[in-house]
Amino acid sequence: SSELTQDPAVSVALGQTVRITCQGDSLRSYYASWYQQKPGQAPVLVIYHKNNRPSGIPDRFSGSRSGNTASLTITGAQAEDEADYYCNSRDSSGNHLGVVFGGGTKLTVL
Amino acid sequence: QVQLQESGPGLVKPSETLSLTCTVSGGSIISHYWSWIRQPPGKGLEWIGYIYYSGSTKYNTSLKSRVSISVGTSKKNFSLKLNSVTAADTAVYYCARIVDYYDYNGYEEGLAFDIWGLGTLVTVSS
Repeated sequence: SSELTQDPAVSVALGQTVRITCQGDSLRSYYASWYQQKPGQAPVLVIYHKNNRPSGIPDRFSGSRSGNTASLTITGAQAEDEADYYCNSRDSSGNHLGVVFGGGTKLTVL
Repeated sequence: QVQLQESGPGLVKPSETLSLTCTVSGGSIISHYWSWIRQPPGKGLEWIGYIYYSGSTKYNTSLKSRVSISVGTSKKNFSLKLNSVTAADTAVYYCARIVDYYDYNGYEEGLAFDIWGLGTLVTVSS
């Protein structure tokens, strides 16, 4: 199956902008979705399809794609944004119509 | 709104079968795909498989020989069975609903897990 690669950890100063990236061949064919997971909680969808936010997700969260890289951008990071972030997409390799997750990025807000 | 709730034993012995059920409330199981995802302690998310309400399935190739997902006869729940478990199968197991997106030509552009259960910890130990 194909893989999605994320940086293990990223930090951002309070109120600044941070970009979390996700790389993989499947992203040339499919858009990534992004999830926020806080300790002891289930993941929450924050960005899906091209750049859509579910109801209740602040507009400081946005998504984009270029080539084989998808990005989640938080503009004006808040303390409550400190969490693990995961990307996922369809698997475009041997496991056709399967699903793949990135390894996750731990975001620290300083 | 739609809510999901996982249920099942929290402790399973090695070599036995892990069985979990996800109950869907506040909505219908019809016309959606439904999935199981797991997360070992301190690690990332791993997709296990999904099922369409009609019964068609797709599994992670790494688990395919041991996993089975089915829809309940009432069409209000779906279940996971993972056989021959080992300590490596210890994880929080989540059920989730899938939504997928298409362009104007009907080509799929992606998917997302839009609704998740709270998760249930399953420990494999004798």
